[in-house]
Amino acid sequence: DGGITQSPKYLFRKEGQNVTLSCEQNLNHDAMYWYRQDPGQGLRLIYYSQIVNDFQKGDIAEGYSVSREKKESFPLTVTSAQKNPTAFYLCASLPGRWGNQPQHFGDGTRLSIL
Amino acid sequence: DAKTTQPNSMESNEEEPVHLPCNHSTISGTDYIHWYRQLPSQGPEYVIHGLTSNVNNRMASLAIAEDRKSSTLILHRATLRDAAVYYCILIDNYGQNFVFGPGTRLSVLP
Repeated sequence: DGGITQSPKYLFRKEGQNVTLSCEQNLNHDAMYWYRQDPGQGLRLIYYSQIVNDFQKGDIAEGYSVSREKKESFPLTVTSAQKNPTAFYLCASLPGRWGNQPQHFGDGTRLSIL
Repeated sequence: DAKTTQPNSMESNEEEPVHLPCNHSTISGTDYIHWYRQLPSQGPEYVIHGLTSNVNNRMASLAIAEDRKSSTLILHRATLRDAAVYYCILIDNYGQNFVFGPGTRLSVLP
């Protein structure tokens, strides 16, 4: 079945450490997105990419970095500059550069601080 | 800036219809209105979306006000499996600008 795979499901970060969250899709979608969700809160956009080798900052990009070297992959790195990284991270995709399509979401990665 | 508002929580009895409102008074002409629902520790699931006309699918109906400043997600017969947080999201035509609602937690009573 086609879908979005996020790994790992749970991740722990030490102080001063960078960690990378994986997001892979086999839907052949052009656009991919990263969201952050804090407990009891809604979604906030971190970064998005609509084509390979190009990405744009969302509302809360500080302390995060991304790459899009392949169409199917959009990893998110949470850097040590992100002082409050504890959250639920969601990856999503859209078939193209259009808002007239449903977004597909992964099952998320929960990041905590050790 | 565009903004959406939703009630924090709603409650329904099983097998009764549910109307979940969303206000988006600053919506632009090219914004699509999307609805998703989310269970704890899972990714959101697509429910329905529309632009101007009312929409129906197997999961729900979407009623959009004539001025597009509000919309209502309609679950025709709530089941226990419909208990979730429902998000109203505006997505522009180019998939670049997103406006997220705070979500409504729907409880379904047996």
